[in-house]
Amino acid sequence: KNQVEQSPQSLIILEGKNCTLQCNYTVSPFSNLRWYKQDTGRGPVSLTIMTFSENTKSNGRYTATLDADTKQSSLHITASQLSDSASYICVVSPMDSSYKLIFGSGTRLLVRP
Amino acid sequence: NAGVTQTPKFQVLKTGQSMTLQCAQDMNHEYMSWYRQDPGMGLRLIHYSVGAGITDQGEVPNGYNVSRSTTEDFPLRLLSAAPSQTSVYFCASSYSMMGGDSYEQYFGPGTRLTVT
Repeated sequence: KNQVEQSPQSLIILEGKNCTLQCNYTVSPFSNLRWYKQDTGRGPVSLTIMTFSENTKSNGRYTATLDADTKQSSLHITASQLSDSASYICVVSPMDSSYKLIFGSGTRLLVRP
Repeated sequence: NAGVTQTPKFQVLKTGQSMTLQCAQDMNHEYMSWYRQDPGMGLRLIHYSVGAGITDQGEVPNGYNVSRSTTEDFPLRLLSAAPSQTSVYFCASSYSMMGGDSYEQYFGPGTRLTVT
């Protein structure tokens, strides 16, 4: 069964520190891998989209990496801000059913002052 | 652009009642979809549409109906509400989701539904 697993489930860091969130997936072959940010009470917002052939994609202080051989992706947040407090969701699009995205359950990040 | 809009924001239903969750987008996107989000779980696809007049089932379609008469609108109907349908519902749209495409998917603000 196609799955997307994220770790850790939750994370607390101090403002200004860096952190890395992990995503392991079993979806193969896949079309692309996405990272979303979801603030409490809001819909997810796209951070990065990487095709299967890309290794890294940045969006400001957010950098996503992809290792298709080990089926792992990570999202690195640099110099965290209070506004980074949110859930971060990893999503994989299967190549054979690209309309049916597979979502991870997310990592809840809390940035403390 | 308003993006993806959803109404209502909150709704409480009694078991057995029916209702329609509204979703609209003004970006001329062909692909629209409905998800539900439950605590501790990833978003799950209920139904999706690849264009006006074309809909298909997702992972958890039972108890829900959809139609797509226009490009802009994609309503979700709960036929006979059950407590198991208590959830947060998100509508999303994208220019395309065909294999190999990497277009951004835009989500609405969500509808929080409680069924008692």
